[in-house]
Amino acid sequence: DGGITQSPKYLFRKEGQNVTLSCEQNLNHDAMYWYRQDPGQGLRLIYYSQIVNDFQKGDIAEGYSVSREKKESFPLTVTSAQKNPTAFYLCASSMGVSTYEQYFGPGTRLTVT
Amino acid sequence: AQKVTQAQTEISVVEKEDVTLDCVYETRDTTYYLFWYKQPPSGELVFLIRRNSFDEQNEISGRYSWNFQKSTSSFNFTITASQVVDSAVYFCALSEYYQGAQKLVFGQGTRLTINP
Repeated sequence: DGGITQSPKYLFRKEGQNVTLSCEQNLNHDAMYWYRQDPGQGLRLIYYSQIVNDFQKGDIAEGYSVSREKKESFPLTVTSAQKNPTAFYLCASSMGVSTYEQYFGPGTRLTVT
Repeated sequence: AQKVTQAQTEISVVEKEDVTLDCVYETRDTTYYLFWYKQPPSGELVFLIRRNSFDEQNEISGRYSWNFQKSTSSFNFTITASQVVDSAVYFCALSEYYQGAQKLVFGQGTRLTINP
C-alpha cells in the first residue's frame, strides 16, 4: 500500500537528549513537510523540502533540524535546544510544492520529561 | 499574513442531525486554495477536499457538502445526517506561497462529537 509511515507512534525522552523522528513515504512525492501540533491547536510548519538535498525552515524551525538525502525519507531531529519539545509531530508529503493536497502520516507523540 | 479562523472550538450533536462547521479566511493572494482535513482519534489527518479560489461552485460528496463564498471569505463544511463515525477534529486550511513553495495555514480546528 502507498502511504506515509512514521515511527515510533509514541516516544519518550529525557530532557537534554536529542531525538530523531522517522518519516518515510512510498508515494513518489517530491515535497515533504513536518508539522507540530499542540493540544487544542492547529498545525504549525517546522520544515519542508521540495527536492532531495534541499529544505527550508517553516514558522517554528528553532530547535529542530532535518535532512533529505533520499526522496522517500525526511527525518526530523528534535534537539535539546527546543524549549518545549513535548508535542504531536506529523509528517506530510505532496506531489509538488505548488497547489497539491498534502497527505499525512499517523504522527509521533513525543514526550520529554 | 494569511489567517484561518474556525470560531467553533467544539460542537456536539445527536446522531442524524445536520451540522455545519464554519471556516473564515484572510488572504491577499488572488489565487489560493482551501482545504478541509479530518483528524480522527487515531491522529492522522485525512484529506477531504481541495477548492481553488476561482471555483465557487458548491460541492457535494455523499453526506458531505462544502459552501465556498468568496464574497464573505468563507468555506463552510456541512455534514448531513451525521453519524458517530464523523466524530473527529476538523481542520480548515489555506494555501500560502512562501519562498517558492506552498505552505498550508491551518485553523485551530473544530472538535465534533456525534452522540448516539
